[in-house]
Amino acid sequence: AQSVTQPDIHITVSEGASLELRCNYSYGATPYLFWYVQSPGQGLQLLLKYFSGDTLVQGIKGFEAEFKRSQSSFNLRKPSVHWSDAAEYFCAVGARGGATNKLIFGTGTLLAVQP
Amino acid sequence: EPEVTQTPSHQVTQMGQEVILRCVPISNHLYFYWYRQILGQKVEFLVSFYNNEISEKSEIFDDQFSVERPDGSNFTLKIRSTKLEDSAMYFCASSYGGSSYNSPLHFGNGTRLTVT
Repeated sequence: AQSVTQPDIHITVSEGASLELRCNYSYGATPYLFWYVQSPGQGLQLLLKYFSGDTLVQGIKGFEAEFKRSQSSFNLRKPSVHWSDAAEYFCAVGARGGATNKLIFGTGTLLAVQP
Repeated sequence: EPEVTQTPSHQVTQMGQEVILRCVPISNHLYFYWYRQILGQKVEFLVSFYNNEISEKSEIFDDQFSVERPDGSNFTLKIRSTKLEDSAMYFCASSYGGSSYNSPLHFGNGTRLTVT
């Protein structure tokens, strides 16, 4: 069965520091992979996605993620965190060839940014 | 940029009562979804809806749940007889196409349902 694991429930980083949020997935083949962000009081916003090709994908707000097949991982990174990045981050997988846009989400990682 | 809007933002109801959560998807989108997140748990897929019928549903989406597109703009989730374990954040989403490859989901801000 498909599943997504985000091992870090809560992370605190200092503003300007680098960030890496971990995501591991379980899927029979290479899935579609996504990172969403939820700011307080907001809906889920798509940060970036991976379908195929270059394993390093760029997203909005200066985020990037790297797909590593050997590790079944799709970690999210940002070289320098801003206070406005404080939010909850969700990794998700989508089935290839699925009939609809069904996504399997992880439990999320809550990011706090210290001044 | 067009948005998915959900109302209300917070709903409190008593156990056993019916509740209707409302969503207005993006106007040219054709696929509609409900997801939910119980506090501290994963965001879970409930149901997808296309061409005026359910196209896929999860095991969570039992007979107590129903969805409807009563007019050209609204998409609703009804829970007939709420239980305590229905307390969660419910997210509506829409997409133009049915494949995550070329039609990313657009989510609303969610409705927090509290069943007492």
